[in-house]
Formats: sequence, structure tokens, C-alpha cells
Amino acid sequence: AQTVTQSQPEMSVQEAETVTLSCTYDTSESDYYLFWYKQPPSRQMILVIRQEAYKQQNATENRFSVNFQKAAKSFSLKISDSQLGDAAMYFCAYRSNMNTGFQKLVFGTGTRLLVSP
Amino acid sequence: DTAVSQTPKYLVTQMGNDKSIKCEQNLGHDTMYWYKQDSKKFLKIMFSYNNKELIINETVPNRFSPKSPDKAHLNLHINSLELGDSAVYFCASSPWDSYEQYFGPGTRLTVT
Repeated sequence: AQTVTQSQPEMSVQEAETVTLSCTYDTSESDYYLFWYKQPPSRQMILVIRQEAYKQQNATENRFSVNFQKAAKSFSLKISDSQLGDAAMYFCAYRSNMNTGFQKLVFGTGTRLLVSP
Repeated sequence: DTAVSQTPKYLVTQMGNDKSIKCEQNLGHDTMYWYKQDSKKFLKIMFSYNNKELIINETVPNRFSPKSPDKAHLNLHINSLELGDSAVYFCASSPWDSYEQYFGPGTRLTVT
């Protein structure tokens, strides 16, 4: 079974600074997706960024980028130019790409990001 | 327009009661899911349905029974509620053969 580990229960950053959230995972599969989800106090789950395992290039979405190290099974999220609105819980998630169509997301335990002015 | 909706958003009930949470998606997706987020914010899959057929049933007590009357709806019925059932329950949907899951707003269930 796949597992996802987020070792940082909480991180703090100042506005305009950069912060990196860590995630490691364990799988024996070679074809999968990795995601970062944001959950603000409204509790809505918002997809921030995704990475396909077969792609070597790290995904980027505006101020959000990932460092995907497949051999090390590491998938960190970098938030640049942090904004107050980035304050939220961030979840790393894994999805197998074997037998597509109904694959569950396996989540890490989350990292609470605090952003100070 | 709301893509994935859940009713109710908040539910407070007593131990031993039976309750249902409804989920509807208007995205035309084939697959729907229920996830549970516990008090420590940990999210875990409970069930998955594809075209009204149960695909995934993680080790969930049989007091929980999902029902999918059609492809756009996946309801969660819980019998004999227990204190440990208090959590936020999320419904999600995805197209067949797609990585992305669209989440509903969640239902906060409090059992007293």
C-alpha cells in the first residue's frame, strides 16, 4: 500500500518570502500522480499543483513549484512571494495511474502554513 | 454553478441516530468518492463508485452505507451514529480516466 508522509506539522513564513513544504511517499509503482492540495479555513479542497511521475520536468503554477525527486520519492512544494491568502493546510497526495478511472487519493497528514505580515 | 454540492453542510445529532449526507455533481463525471477527514485533519478514502457500481470500499464499518441512485448522486447513510463518527465528510467526483478529483465543500458531522 502506498503511504504519504509530511513531516512538518506547521510552517511559518513572512509575506513576500519563500517557503518549502516537504513530502515523501512510498510506492512500488512506477506510474502515478502526485498533488498538492490547499485547504483554507473554509475547508474547501483546492488543487494547487500536480506532477506526473513520468515527467522529469518539475511542475510550476505561478508562484507554486515542486521539486520532484522520483528516486528519492520526494515531492516538495515551494511557495514564492508568499501572500496572506496562502495561509492554509497543505496536503500532499498520491494517486496511482494503474487501472485508471477510479483511483483513490492517498493523503499525507498535512502541513499548516502560517503567513505573517 | 456549484460543481459538487453536499447537503447538509453542518449536521449535529445524538449517538444512536441514523443520518444521511447527500452529494450531487453536475459535471457529468463517472466516478464519485467519499472521504473522511478526522479531528486531526487526516483525510482518508471511504468509498468510490463508478457508474453506480461500488469500486472501492476501504475498511469502513458496515454502519456506513453508500447509495448511488444515478451517476450524478452518491449519498452516505450512517446508522447508529457513534462519537467517533464526528468528522468532516467530503464528496468528490472525477471523469473516467482523469487524474483530477473535484471536491465538494464538506459536511461537518458532530455526534453528541
